[in-house]
Amino acid sequence: EAGVAQSPRYKIIEKRQSVAFWCNPISGHATLYWYQQILGQGPKLLIQFQNNGVVDDSQLPKDRFSAERLKGVDSTLKIQPAKLEDSAVYLCASSLARYNEQFFGPGTRLTVL
Amino acid sequence: SQQGEEDPQALSIQEGENATMNCSYKTSINNLQWYRQNSGRGLVHLILIRSNEREKHSGRLRVTLDTSKKSSSLLITASRAADTASYFCATDVVQGAQKLVFGQGTRLTINP
Repeated sequence: EAGVAQSPRYKIIEKRQSVAFWCNPISGHATLYWYQQILGQGPKLLIQFQNNGVVDDSQLPKDRFSAERLKGVDSTLKIQPAKLEDSAVYLCASSLARYNEQFFGPGTRLTVL
Repeated sequence: SQQGEEDPQALSIQEGENATMNCSYKTSINNLQWYRQNSGRGLVHLILIRSNEREKHSGRLRVTLDTSKKSSSLLITASRAADTASYFCATDVVQGAQKLVFGQGTRLTINP
């Protein structure tokens, strides 16, 4: 079974630039999550989708972050404009149902200069 | 405030010894999960324990849950160098929508 795919794996941008991350979940997984993990901390949930609907985005900085899940499969997370404090690893995860174990992708390491 | 907090923050033991990590949380939960993260394999689910369960085993892993004390422990027996990683507990909380909240993690180092 293929795992969760993410791209790119690494991204370096300057502050105020824009960046987008892509995630392809495990086939058949209805729930998709985006997490932000700052060095030395645990992952923090940014947004949770159930199929193509948003279930929770309470911790998403909506003035600069946006996410969508087209047709309930792939998802993109965008930051516009980026700030220095956005430097982190962005993890995508999926699960069969909302309260099951989550399968994580390798993450995208973002550095904002 | 953090829902789950792991203790200790860092742990270093000799290969073959047992490692115990603890997790405390604040609000009622439906289940608690443990994850491992290392540079090679990313974040991997280890075990899920439901609120009506007290103990669960998976290979060399043993997880306990005490809902009266709002705490859980993860025991790794006969540790190996490959167990070197960060271990996170994650609790499901209901804040609007139900979601997993991760703790800060315990950094475990197994010395050969």
